[in-house]
Amino acid sequence: GNSVTQMEGPVTLSEEAFLTINCTYTATGYPSLFWYVQYPGEGLQLLLKATKADDKGSNKGFEATYRKETTSFHLEKGSVQVSDSAVYFCALPLSGTYKYIFGTGTRLKVLA
Amino acid sequence: GAGVSQSPSNKVTEKGKDVELRCDPISGHTALYWYRQSLGQGLEFLIYFQGNSAPDKSGLPSDRFSAERTGGSVSTLTIQRTQQEDSAVYLCASSYKQGSSGEQYFGPGTRLTVT
Repeated sequence: GNSVTQMEGPVTLSEEAFLTINCTYTATGYPSLFWYVQYPGEGLQLLLKATKADDKGSNKGFEATYRKETTSFHLEKGSVQVSDSAVYFCALPLSGTYKYIFGTGTRLKVLA
Repeated sequence: GAGVSQSPSNKVTEKGKDVELRCDPISGHTALYWYRQSLGQGLEFLIYFQGNSAPDKSGLPSDRFSAERTGGSVSTLTIQRTQQEDSAVYLCASSYKQGSSGEQYFGPGTRLTVT
């Protein structure tokens, strides 16, 4: 069945550093892939998504490319800010269902 | 417009007591999900409602957990005879589109602490 594996955190970076959070998946077919972000004290919110292979999702300076060859959807940002400190979740739907599988989350802490 | 709201935001209860957690989805969203987020863990699917269809309860961890959705809108998650392992953040999400293309909109969660 579908599954998602996300790099463990926490990740601590200095402001303006480059960020990569790895996410790999196993899936039947080519489901949409999502990154959600959870800021402190808040619920999750969609950060970006890609609906088919080779698509690049982007938002707020973050990008992720749907790579079927490596079954990956790594999240990247060229220059992180303190305000990016949050927990990031990779997610995909179970094939043929309305259920979603979320990764365990990666906590990012950005220091000024 | 208003987002998904949940109440209470925090709940502390004694072991063995019953608790009710409430979720108000975004108006017009037909799909509603409950998840549990334990410390250091990902999101655990609990239950799913879609329109007037029978809910998918396959994620409920025990028969102490139940949920209902009245009038296709507000949902209540009930935990009976709470145990310490029930301590977690309970998240509700709604979606207007069923299937793999639908974005989920999450509420801020209810943090449950069982003492």
